[in-house]
Amino acid sequence: KNEVEQSPQNLTAQEGEFITINCSYSVGISALHWLQQHPGGGIVSLFMLSSGKKKHGRLIATINIQEKHSSLHITASHPRDSAVYICAVWGNTGNQFYFGTGTSLTVIP
Amino acid sequence: NAGVMQNPRHLVRRRGQEARLRCSPMKGHSHVYWYRQLPEEGLKFMVYLQKENIIDESGMPKERFSAEFPKEGPSILRIQQVVRGDSAAYFCASSPRQGVYNEQFFGPGTRLTVL
Repeated sequence: KNEVEQSPQNLTAQEGEFITINCSYSVGISALHWLQQHPGGGIVSLFMLSSGKKKHGRLIATINIQEKHSSLHITASHPRDSAVYICAVWGNTGNQFYFGTGTSLTVIP
Repeated sequence: NAGVMQNPRHLVRRRGQEARLRCSPMKGHSHVYWYRQLPEEGLKFMVYLQKENIIDESGMPKERFSAEFPKEGPSILRIQQVVRGDSAAYFCASSPRQGVYNEQFFGPGTRLTVL
């Protein structure tokens, strides 16, 4: 079983819709990251959080440490948001990331 | 400030050959991480290096794979006697300091194809 589980695996939305991607993890963590991987393959770090909530433009990330769960929300989605969104957690017993398998988002105009 | 550089971007090797993947971290970054992304799978940690030191190689296959980050020059991920199962995208990331709260900056990846 993967240490990090994401849902849904695939998501198609109409432009303008509110989108939520979920991430659950089973290990103790020090921090959680949300990454964005574009079709060309490049990876960009969107958020790094260890508690509460962060907002950047139309993106909002929340984390509930007790429930071992995080969500990434996209408001007013746009076709350029189409990408794979990856949840990654930094375990508190080592030096490595554990990655989810990603959520492939397609936003249709 | 240039981002993390990886080269080559695409590498084709025949079974049994060696593959060398290079990663130049961002200026001022002394911590490098290598990850592998197999087709249709998520990213997997391979190794974490600081200059001249391997800090954590728990994700590296025990045979044929090695990594280094010399005092001068890029970090190198070396795969000897490649097999078809090594075909994957290999990403490196760098950070300025050790620690979980430091953001990692990813390179564009090297896509290795083993024929």
